[in-house]
Amino acid sequence: GQQLNQSPQSMFIQEGEDVSMNCTSSSIFNTWLWYKQDPGEGPVLLIALYKAGELTSNGRLTAQFGITRKDSFLNISASIPSDVGIYFCAGPNPFKAAGNKLTFGGGTRVLVKP
Amino acid sequence: EAGVAQSPRYKIIEKRQSVAFWCNPISGHATLYWYQQILGQGPKLLIQFQNNGVVDDSQLPKDRFSAERLKGVDSTLKIQPAKLEDSAVYLCASSFKESSYEQYFGPGTRLTVT
Repeated sequence: GQQLNQSPQSMFIQEGEDVSMNCTSSSIFNTWLWYKQDPGEGPVLLIALYKAGELTSNGRLTAQFGITRKDSFLNISASIPSDVGIYFCAGPNPFKAAGNKLTFGGGTRVLVKP
Repeated sequence: EAGVAQSPRYKIIEKRQSVAFWCNPISGHATLYWYQQILGQGPKLLIQFQNNGVVDDSQLPKDRFSAERLKGVDSTLKIQPAKLEDSAVYLCASSFKESSYEQYFGPGTRLTVT
């Protein structure tokens, strides 16, 4: 089964709102990656985190590498309609001695409030 | 810089038929990955190539799936014979080198097995 748990599974946003989502694991990860996937497209890398406690921004997106190394957070400020999509966290499989095979979470689906 | 190219974008086949997918990675990227993404889930790695050699195929169902990257550039993924549970999006990704965690994805091929 998957080792990365994302929360919430889905959320509704209203334009201008700030939104947050997180990713947790029972195992320590040394790298966290956040991807966004639009319908009919492949995931696109948003932010990569390599150090515990690291806080990195990419435009309106900010991601943090949790101090425990078992979680990561993604925030979107002042959301706009094009923020709709599925956000995945990913990290190198902690049970592999070498290599960069990524394990993906189940995703957080961001939808627009009707 | 051109992204990862995949074809076809969509394919519908009957169970027990064969199907092949093609991927052309970003120029200069030595590492190529094939992922399976079942609806509502994150991508799951099937196979990883470093140049034309297989690095990891531990999650590839080898009784029916095969993949090759003969000249270290393009790659093909084949399913023979297909089962209903193979219905998914097949994503190809590439990275500059094996040690890089930052992977770049193509648009995927959506396979429907009836």
